[in-house]
Amino acid sequence: QQKVQQSPESLIVPEGAMTSLNCTFSDSASQYFAWYRQHSGKAPKALMSIFSNGEKEEGRFTIHLNKASLHFSLHIRDSQPSDSALYLCAANMGYKLTFGTGTSLLVDP
Amino acid sequence: DMKVTQMPRYLIKRMGENVLLECGQDMSHETMYWYRQDPGLGLQLIYISYDVDSNSEGDIPKGYRVSRKKREHFSLILDSAKTNQTSVYFCASRSGQGAQAPLFGEGTRLSVL
Repeated sequence: QQKVQQSPESLIVPEGAMTSLNCTFSDSASQYFAWYRQHSGKAPKALMSIFSNGEKEEGRFTIHLNKASLHFSLHIRDSQPSDSALYLCAANMGYKLTFGTGTSLLVDP
Repeated sequence: DMKVTQMPRYLIKRMGENVLLECGQDMSHETMYWYRQDPGLGLQLIYISYDVDSNSEGDIPKGYRVSRKKREHFSLILDSAKTNQTSVYFCASRSGQGAQAPLFGEGTRLSVL
């Protein structure tokens, strides 16, 4: 069974800082990797996803994937108070999408 | 507008009662999911549906069953609900295995007393 683990559990950063969130997965056959953001009481919403090794940038968000080290990460440049939320990473094998337990981010204005 | 709709949004039941959670999507997505979310445990997969009448257990199926008779509709049933099934339940859908990330509904907050 796929295991997905996130670190850190929680994080406080000042406004304008770079935020880095980490995720490891256990199944090297995983094909697809995604980050979701969930504001309190709301649905998880997909932020970014990646299939192959390397990095992908969209605005202030960058996702890195290293399949050999079973690791992917999300970096948020110029963090804003509106980025405060629970961040969930997920790894997919076939139809099954397995989530980590989340990192709670607070951006301090 | 692409949307996953869950009903009801809030539900209070007594232990031993039956519970029906409903999920609908308007995108004709083949694949649908039920997850539950508890503090500190993230999103745990209960069931996957690949299409009508084609369902598979997820990681925590015990105490739950599902029904999918139409592509746009996926139900989660708790027969004789237990207090440890108090949770927030999320439904999601995607096209096939998908290059897209699944789209989630707003959730149903279930309390079993």
